[in-house]
Amino acid sequence: AQSVTQLDSHVSVSEGTPVLLRCNYSSSYSPSLFWYVQHPNKGLQLLLKYTSAATLVKGINGFEAEFKKSETSFHLTKPSAHMSDAAEYFCVVRTSGGGADGLTFGKGTHLIIQP
Amino acid sequence: GAVVSQHPSRVICKSGTSVKIECRSLDFQATTMFWYRQFPKQSLMLMATSNEGSKATYEQGVEKDKFLINHASLTLSTLTVTSAHPEDSSFYICSARLYQETQYFGPGTRLLVL
Repeated sequence: AQSVTQLDSHVSVSEGTPVLLRCNYSSSYSPSLFWYVQHPNKGLQLLLKYTSAATLVKGINGFEAEFKKSETSFHLTKPSAHMSDAAEYFCVVRTSGGGADGLTFGKGTHLIIQP
Repeated sequence: GAVVSQHPSRVICKSGTSVKIECRSLDFQATTMFWYRQFPKQSLMLMATSNEGSKATYEQGVEKDKFLINHASLTLSTLTVTSAHPEDSSFYICSARLYQETQYFGPGTRLLVL
């Protein structure tokens, strides 16, 4: 079975300061990991994905995430927050083996940007 | 990038009626489409997986006779909520995937059943 734990339900940072959204996963097989962003009443937009290539993954809008197998983590970071980054962020895992399909979503982290 | 559309974006219906939601992959052919449900301030819950030309696979606890899924072509899947009730009010999101590639999500459909 696979699961995703987003350690913070809410994160608040000031504009221009770094962002860290934490995610831990568990998976019986080699995982693919994703971060999606959802703005209010909108669908999900893919920020970045890890699929067993480079462990440091760069995404859109200045976001990046590092896959750390030893820590089973896939934390999302951005050096400098922008007001437009305020949204809900989902860490997602997909198992590539074992017959599993679909995605397993974390509960989401609400990112608040203070002016 | 891959674009997925949903129609309608918002629908209000009376209790007991049926509602059909369309999900289309606009610039790629999707071998698999997924339907999710999202309650306010909660994460997405997978309802069912549909492969073109075959029956959908429903997640545990999802009534297949209530949520009818048809995946008639590689670019279109439909979700019909039959005999809708207020508790079916939710945000329904579809996604589309080509083979084992990334899932691309639609913008969602807000359903309100009165």
